[in-house]
Amino acid sequence: SQQGEEDPQALSIQEGENATMNCSYKTSINNLQWYRQNSGRGLVHLILIRSNEREKHSGRLRVTLDTSKKSSSLLITASRAADTASYFCATDAGQGAQKLVFGQGTRLTINP
Amino acid sequence: NAGVTQTPKFQVLKTGQSMTLQCAQDMNHNSMYWYRQDPGMGLRLIYYSASEGTTDKGEVPNGYNVSRLNKREFSLRLESAAPSQTSVYFCASSIQGAVDTQYFGPGTRLTVL
Repeated sequence: SQQGEEDPQALSIQEGENATMNCSYKTSINNLQWYRQNSGRGLVHLILIRSNEREKHSGRLRVTLDTSKKSSSLLITASRAADTASYFCATDAGQGAQKLVFGQGTRLTINP
Repeated sequence: NAGVTQTPKFQVLKTGQSMTLQCAQDMNHNSMYWYRQDPGMGLRLIYYSASEGTTDKGEVPNGYNVSRLNKREFSLRLESAAPSQTSVYFCASSIQGAVDTQYFGPGTRLTVL
């Protein structure tokens, strides 16, 4: 079963708008990571947020983590056509975990 | 620094044939992973190697075997390919386990007829 589940499954917005994707998970975690996948390519790491952090920024990306609700969100501000991709959250399973579990992803389309 | 490399990029097999997917990383990472991705889906972990000399099953290990040849290389073998194994296969590595960023290879597109 999936540890992380993204919502929505697909999102289409106009260039310049903000895009928000959500991730929910089931068990305690050490960290939560977000990855991007352009069509036909491997995944690229975007940001890692640890369980004792509530918010993290990287350029136009803002990630929040609410461990009480077991959820995270990824906000992309001022979207660009190049942001068109699938976005995945991934979680470990707590202390000592050796592997990540990925959600099914949100497919984001930025319309020019 | 090539990062994570995978060979081959594409492969077509007939049912019952065998093949080995190769993966190598030059980042001195301890942990390596094999995932499969089916259309419109997320990644599912097949096998992983937390450190040189160890391998463990992931979510979908049936029909696969792995070898951690050395710290750099982690291969995935399909002994008798089945159409259900048609997928894109990704190798990844991290410094140590799930507490670190994973770096992915470009993938191998495998079709089993």
